[in-house]
Amino acid sequence: QQPVQSPQAVILREGEDAVINCSSSKALYSVHWYRQKHGEAPVFLMILLKGGEQKGHDKISASFNEKKQQSSLYLTASQLSYSGTYFCGTMNTNAGKSTFGDGTTLTVKP
Amino acid sequence: DAGVIQSPRHEVTEMGQEVTLRCKPISGHNSLFWYRQTMMRGLELLIYFNNNVPIDDSGMPEDRFSAKMPNASFSTLKIQPSEPRDSAVYFCASSLPVDVGRGYTFGSGTRLTVV
Repeated sequence: QQPVQSPQAVILREGEDAVINCSSSKALYSVHWYRQKHGEAPVFLMILLKGGEQKGHDKISASFNEKKQQSSLYLTASQLSYSGTYFCGTMNTNAGKSTFGDGTTLTVKP
Repeated sequence: DAGVIQSPRHEVTEMGQEVTLRCKPISGHNSLFWYRQTMMRGLELLIYFNNNVPIDDSGMPEDRFSAKMPNASFSTLKIQPSEPRDSAVYFCASSLPVDVGRGYTFGSGTRLTVV
């Protein structure tokens, strides 16, 4: 079952914050987040495992609400380099197979 | 580590021809995935292997598609015969067990165009 991401697209000015949401209709074991720039491969950002933890590095963090079966990615004080398409991938078990959402396109303008 | 290596980077072929895409995963990774990406369908999982064994091929669109992983350092995805609707970017990714917490490492992809 494919997770649903929202919003589909967001445009920001440098320094503004953004939140991208990912929700599933099935119980989740883990959620992982990737950023893909045009013409490149997706790059791993972080993974959150069952347990409702929050993670972060630099100004990008994420939360995982197991009960609501959803995760959110937080981008704080956005930089031009944050532009790209963000995908969440969800796993229903620890078997390692992920289904990806349709992506959220983030554009950061000067 | 050189990362996940895919070849070729670009492939243009005529309808009906056989196409073989290749992937070398990161050494030590026990899972390998083939994804296809298009504007219309996003990132679709085609097949994944665990310890060289195919675990789930439910995403393989038709019998025209086949994948093998003869050893831990090599996998192929073959399309025979190819059709224009197969045009897409095909990504190979590898990973450690999910509980290790490192996510997937994707290769640079093969952009396939079938004319």
